[in-house]
Amino acid sequence: EVQLLESGGGLVQPGGSLRLSCAASGFTFSTYSMTWVRQAPGKGLEWVSSISGRDTTTVYADSVKGRFIISRDNSKNTLYLQMNSLRADDTAVYYCGHCSGGACQSGGFDIWGQGTMVTVSS
Amino acid sequence: DIQMTQSPSSLSASVGDRVTITCRASQGIRNDLDWFQQKPGKAPQRLVYAASSLQSGVPSRFSGSGSGTEFTLTISSLQPEDFATYYCLQHNTYPFTFGPGTTVDI
Repeated sequence: EVQLLESGGGLVQPGGSLRLSCAASGFTFSTYSMTWVRQAPGKGLEWVSSISGRDTTTVYADSVKGRFIISRDNSKNTLYLQMNSLRADDTAVYYCGHCSGGACQSGGFDIWGQGTMVTVSS
Repeated sequence: DIQMTQSPSSLSASVGDRVTITCRASQGIRNDLDWFQQKPGKAPQRLVYAASSLQSGVPSRFSGSGSGTEFTLTISSLQPEDFATYYCLQHNTYPFTFGPGTTVDI
């Protein structure tokens, strides 16, 4: 069974940094692209970033480009999101997602973690 | 960027009703569209992938159709556990974009 467990959320001041982790199990992690999606309180879903399985090609939403870095450690079956220069409008629940069929663009996201809350406030 | 619109934004329905939600893309996305259900405080759950394929474990009262720019999600007979918010997602072109959501309530 595919399982994803996010951690690392919390309260951070504007301009600060935070690193989210997503521990994966139940599948061969290195062969699947992964993604991050966020949801601000009371709002809809927003795709943030995706990373391929082996060659670690990365893609970002314009709203986080240059501030966030997606990465993965295939030896630890873990996905990361390094968030720098955080702003109030980054406040959201952050979900990691497993891309179906190995690639996000062809398969979409079939399994999501439970989410971790990030609050950016002074 | 591809813009996704959904209609209606909300609807009130009763148990047993047939419900249809529409999602439109600002340009053609073939069938690279998924539907998700989200309940308060929970992660989204995928219902339909590739526009019309039912995710494993999802009840058959859910169905999806469409291709190109217009897509629909239909619930044939609404059940109490179906009251939730529904989102479409296009994953044809980066940046991936979600529809704004449709809330189904009583």
